[in-house]
Order: sequence, then structure tokens, then C-alpha cells
Amino acid sequence: DAMVIQNPRYQVTQFGKPVTLSCSQTLNHNVMYWYQQKSSQAPKLLFHYYDKDFNNEADTPDNFQSRRPNTSFCFLDIRSPGLGDAAMYLCATSPRNSGRPETQYFGPGTRLLVL
Amino acid sequence: AQKITQTQPGMFVQEKEAVTLDCTYDTSDQSYGLFWYKQPSSGEMIFLIYQGSYDEQNATEGRYSLNFQKARKSANLVISASQLGDSAMYFCAMREGLYNFNKFYFGSGTKLNVKP
Repeated sequence: DAMVIQNPRYQVTQFGKPVTLSCSQTLNHNVMYWYQQKSSQAPKLLFHYYDKDFNNEADTPDNFQSRRPNTSFCFLDIRSPGLGDAAMYLCATSPRNSGRPETQYFGPGTRLLVL
Repeated sequence: AQKITQTQPGMFVQEKEAVTLDCTYDTSDQSYGLFWYKQPSSGEMIFLIYQGSYDEQNATEGRYSLNFQKARKSANLVISASQLGDSAMYFCAMREGLYNFNKFYFGSGTKLNVKP
């Protein structure tokens, strides 16, 4: 089945130690998103790609970076994780413009714990 | 102003009863889409139902229906015949315009608990 895959599902890292979360999709969607979600809160958009065009949200800290080497893969790099970066990280995709708003397709998420 | 407002942080419903989760939105765009997602404790966001701003009929998907009142800018989710597996967080979201690179705006969510 076509889907959005996130690895790993759980990630433990140390304070200040760089960590990379990965997302892959078999849907061939143009748009990929990264969200941060803290407990009992709405997902917060960090950035998104339309094809290779990168769009950073104004309030996304510089500590968060992203790479999209091809259509299928997208990575979230946290350069120096702090305790406040512990959260669920959700990857999502959307298809190309179809003349109507399309839903986002979410992966299962990666729970990040910072020790 | 908030783009999406969900005023019910938590709700309880008895199994097999219907429940309505409220959502109001704010936009000046003529074209927009409204979405509801379910997020169980496992964390995955599950798409439930979609309503387009030009759709004249209320959307329905199985036990889910969307009560769309455009003039009041509300898009309430109705779950009929609640099941224990419906216990989860529910998010209302909106995308403005027709372009799929436009961002989603999420509400703060409603936590639904279904009692046996």
C-alpha cells in the first residue's frame, strides 16, 4: 500500500547531540511537511517543501533544518536538541494541485525523547 | 485572530450515542477546505472527512458527518453511534485557497472519551 513512513518510531537522544529523523513516501506527492507536536497540543508546522522549494515557518528555530534529496525522502535535522524539543514529529504529504484542497497524508510520527 | 477554534477541550459520550464536536473557522478566502482528523494515543493522524467551501451538501463518511454552516463559519463533526474505539483527540483543520502547498491551520483539538 502507498504510504508515508517515518523512522524510527521512537528516538532517544542526549541534550546537544545532533539527531536526524527520516520520512519516506510512496505516494509520489509533491509537497512534504514536518510538524512538531507537543502533548495535548495541535501540530505546529516547522517547514514544508513543494518539490525542492523549501518554505520555512517564521518562528521555526534555526536549530531545526531539513533536507529533501528526492521526491520520496525528507529529513529533519535537529542540530543541538534541547529538553524543550522533546515532542512527536509528524511528517505529512500532499499531492499536486488538483483544483480542490486535498488532505494531508500523515506518517505515524517519531516520538523524540531528549535526556 | 485564530483561524480555527475548537472550544471543547474534552468531551464524554456514552457508547452508541451521537456526539457533536464543534469547530469554527475564520477566513476571507472564497475557496477553502475543512478537514477533520482523529489522533489516537498512538499518535498517528487519521483523516476522517473533508468539506469544500463550494460543496452544497454536507459531507458524510460512514458514521462521520460534517455539519457545514457557511454563513456561521462552522464545521462541526458529528459522530453517530459512538464506539469505544472513537476515544481519541480530534482536530479540525482548514486549508485556504486551491493550492496544495498552502499551509494547514489546526484547531487546538477536542479529546473525546467514549464511556461503556
